[in-house]
Amino acid sequence: DIQMTQSPSSMSASLGDTVTINCLASQDIGNYLSWYQQKPGKSPKLMIYGATNLEDGVPSRFSGSRSGSDYSLTINSLGYDDEGIYHCHQYYEYPPTFGGGTKLELK
Amino acid sequence: EVQLVESGGGLVQPGRSMKLSCAASGFTFSDYYMAWVRQAPKKGLEWVASISYEGSSTYYGDSVKGRFTISRDNAKSTLYLQMNSLRSEDTATYYCARQILRVYLGYFDYWGQGVMVTVSS
Repeated sequence: DIQMTQSPSSMSASLGDTVTINCLASQDIGNYLSWYQQKPGKSPKLMIYGATNLEDGVPSRFSGSRSGSDYSLTINSLGYDDEGIYHCHQYYEYPPTFGGGTKLELK
Repeated sequence: EVQLVESGGGLVQPGRSMKLSCAASGFTFSDYYMAWVRQAPKKGLEWVASISYEGSSTYYGDSVKGRFTISRDNAKSTLYLQMNSLRSEDTATYYCARQILRVYLGYFDYWGQGVMVTVSS
């Protein structure tokens, strides 16, 4: 199975900051990567697909990038509404796998 | 508006069975792959199973293969997960998700609110 290693597992940032969450794939997955935001007690919400494509309705403060097998989710101008757990997900091959999640809190 | 509403969860004893349902609305159900994804308490997401448009192809995670069966009724716009021989490690919130196919796998663009399954004696 393809392992998705997310870092950091948790982080704290201030209002207006720019933060980056990383996901390392154990093998080549091309651009078959998506990012989800999950708020406490809620279901995941698609933010990014195809490594860099912003889902409709997601603020442009969110962006995705790729460098080899390293994938990043960047959030600019951090707001309180951005708190939650972020999950990466590879859909290159079965079984689809998720990273362990990154908990983002605002100071 | 796309809606996915799961039902059928609850407390079940180890070794018993349970069937989850997911009622879909707001889109043409038969045009999409569908999936179940679960999340154990305080844990990450784990893909459980996926099913093709007409249900002719199904895919399972190793941890549930041979015990769980995914199926769909396109006339009723409903997705199912039959879970047999349940174990304590199956305790989780189960999400129904719509899958956008890319080649032969895909990402999940809509999720239900989730239903809790607790396996305990």
